[in-house]
Amino acid sequence: AQSVTQPDIHITVSEGASLELRCNYSYGATPYLFWYVQSPGQGLQLLLKYFSGDTLVQGIKGFEAEFKRSQSSFNLRKPSVHWSDAAEYFCAVRGAAGNKLTFGGGTRVLVKP
Amino acid sequence: DAMVIQNPRYQVTQFGKPVTLSCSQTLNHNVMYWYQQKSSQAPKLLFHYYDKDFNNEADTPDNFQSRRPNTSFCFLDIRSPGLGDTAMYLCATSIDGYSNQPQHFGDGTRLSIL
Repeated sequence: AQSVTQPDIHITVSEGASLELRCNYSYGATPYLFWYVQSPGQGLQLLLKYFSGDTLVQGIKGFEAEFKRSQSSFNLRKPSVHWSDAAEYFCAVRGAAGNKLTFGGGTRVLVKP
Repeated sequence: DAMVIQNPRYQVTQFGKPVTLSCSQTLNHNVMYWYQQKSSQAPKLLFHYYDKDFNNEADTPDNFQSRRPNTSFCFLDIRSPGLGDTAMYLCATSIDGYSNQPQHFGDGTRLSIL
């Protein structure tokens, strides 16, 4: 069965500083990987996705993520955080032959002025 | 813009009183999903429709039902809500379940059971 772990429940970062959110997955083959962001009281917005090819993927809002097969990781990064990036971030995995999206527990990001 | 729309955004209902949540989509996607998200938790898939085919998750309580009368609409019915059903309910769509296309989410309905 596929699973996703986001080791950090909360991260606090200063505005303008860099951000990295960790995601580790478990899946027998090459997974489809996603990062979503959820602002308070809102639905989930897709930041980026990885299926194959270049292991560094660019997303919206200045985010990028790197797929590392050897580490079973798909960490999300942003070089300079804005106050509007305060939200909850979910990493998710979907197997190549199924509908089911499995989410990690989420990482809540707080941005200090 | 094409999108996934959920109504209402907020719903308060009494313990045991049936409630229906609505989801519509203009994306013309084949698959529609319902997730339950409790406070500070990840979304949990309840069930999904692939076209008219209903797929229930094994651990979804019988109290939760769904209807999809046409491609655009999908409903979540909770027959006798309990206090533990207080949560955000998210609807999502995807073109299909076997491609590399992501799921698109609505803004959710926040349901409170009193």
